[in-house]
Amino acid sequence: GQQLNQSPQSMFIQEGEDVSMNCTSSSIFNTWLWYKQDPGEGPVLLIALYKAGELTSNGRLTAQFGITRKDSFLNISASIPSDVGIYFCAGSPGVCGGATNKLIFGTGTLLAVQP
Amino acid sequence: DTAVSQTPKYLVTQMGNDKSIKCEQNLGHDTMYWYKQDSKKFLKIMFSYNNKELIINETVPNRFSPKSPDKAHLNLHINSLELGDSAVYFCASSQGGRGANVLTFGAGSRLTVL
Repeated sequence: GQQLNQSPQSMFIQEGEDVSMNCTSSSIFNTWLWYKQDPGEGPVLLIALYKAGELTSNGRLTAQFGITRKDSFLNISASIPSDVGIYFCAGSPGVCGGATNKLIFGTGTLLAVQP
Repeated sequence: DTAVSQTPKYLVTQMGNDKSIKCEQNLGHDTMYWYKQDSKKFLKIMFSYNNKELIINETVPNRFSPKSPDKAHLNLHINSLELGDSAVYFCASSQGGRGANVLTFGAGSRLTVL
């Protein structure tokens, strides 16, 4: 099945550092989302993006919907130990609100933060 | 109150057995999903139901049969379990309109087939 290419696969950083990760697709997406998964839990939504070029923040997190509609970026500023987890991008190629929309997930970025 | 709850959280069983995972959401959402997460953490959609009607079936073996008795529940029954079925299964739900792609996930059910 289709998957989004997400990079990097993993990151090991020091507390306080900024983090960037991105997601690319060979086809156009109309919605981009970023999720975080903690161990033993389901993914939790961080940011949703609906328009090409859109830049949205959620606290220390900022995500952008790429102009080409084929990519998205997530930045985390001033990382803290609780930022540890797996970050997934997800995209939907379908029409906004369509019941048959499929959310396709990226391959994930594992983030480890050293206190 | 848990928004999307699924049971059991852990399931260990022998090859060839039949098992079920149950899911309930109290968010009033119209659409529910089953996703499979493999050992490499890839998340892949299996099924989607909108208001009790199957709308997405992603070439999943017919040993997997979802059932939605009402729009708040989506259960997954698996017949003749195989080793490759070992994974974490996530239930999710979403509302209509602009939020159709914004999924709320359950905590997952880890299935281990021996």
